[in-house]
Amino acid sequence: DVVMTQSPLSLPVTLGQPASISCRSSQSLVYSDGNTYLNWFQQRPGQSPRRLIYKVSNRDSGVPDRFSGSGSGTDFTLKISRVEAEDVGVYYCMQGTHWPPTFGGGTKVEIK
Amino acid sequence: EVQLVESGGGLVQPGGSLRLSCAASGFTFSSYWMSWVRQAPGKGLEWVANIKQDGSEKYYVDSVKGRFTISRDNAKNSLYLQMNSLRAEDTAVYYCARGSEGPDYWGQGTLVTVSS
Repeated sequence: DVVMTQSPLSLPVTLGQPASISCRSSQSLVYSDGNTYLNWFQQRPGQSPRRLIYKVSNRDSGVPDRFSGSGSGTDFTLKISRVEAEDVGVYYCMQGTHWPPTFGGGTKVEIK
Repeated sequence: EVQLVESGGGLVQPGGSLRLSCAASGFTFSSYWMSWVRQAPGKGLEWVANIKQDGSEKYYVDSVKGRFTISRDNAKNSLYLQMNSLRAEDTAVYYCARGSEGPDYWGQGTLVTVSS
């Protein structure tokens, strides 16, 4: 299985400051169709996961533009330009290129 | 509005069975791959299984192969997960999700507890 490694595990951030989460895969996530199926999910406390970003850098409808995704191959990043209180939660990267789909271990974002 | 509503969770003894259901609405159910993803208490997310639009292809994570069966009824806009030979390590919230390589909608989840 493809191993997804996220860092850091915990990310205390000051309101209004930027935040960055790294995700590395054990294999390239480029699929035979040329797409890279790397997604980012947010899970707020007590809620279901919500997809924020798909195929590396595409923001889902309704996702604030302070969230952005980047990367290629095996190295990916989720950035929050200015953290707001509602951004508290756990963030997961997930690859859908190889079976089975696998998730990173999660990064807990909290306010300092 | 897309809605996915799971049901069927509960407390079951080791070795027992449970059938989860997911009622879908707000989209053309028969046009999408569907998936089950689980989350053990306080832990991360784990893919369980997914199924093609017409049910002709099904895939399972190794840990549930031979014990779980995913199915769907497009006429009823419903997704199912039949879970047999349940183990303590199957204890989790089970989510129904739309899509396969990156689910865009998730249900609220249903809790399955395997314990004697």
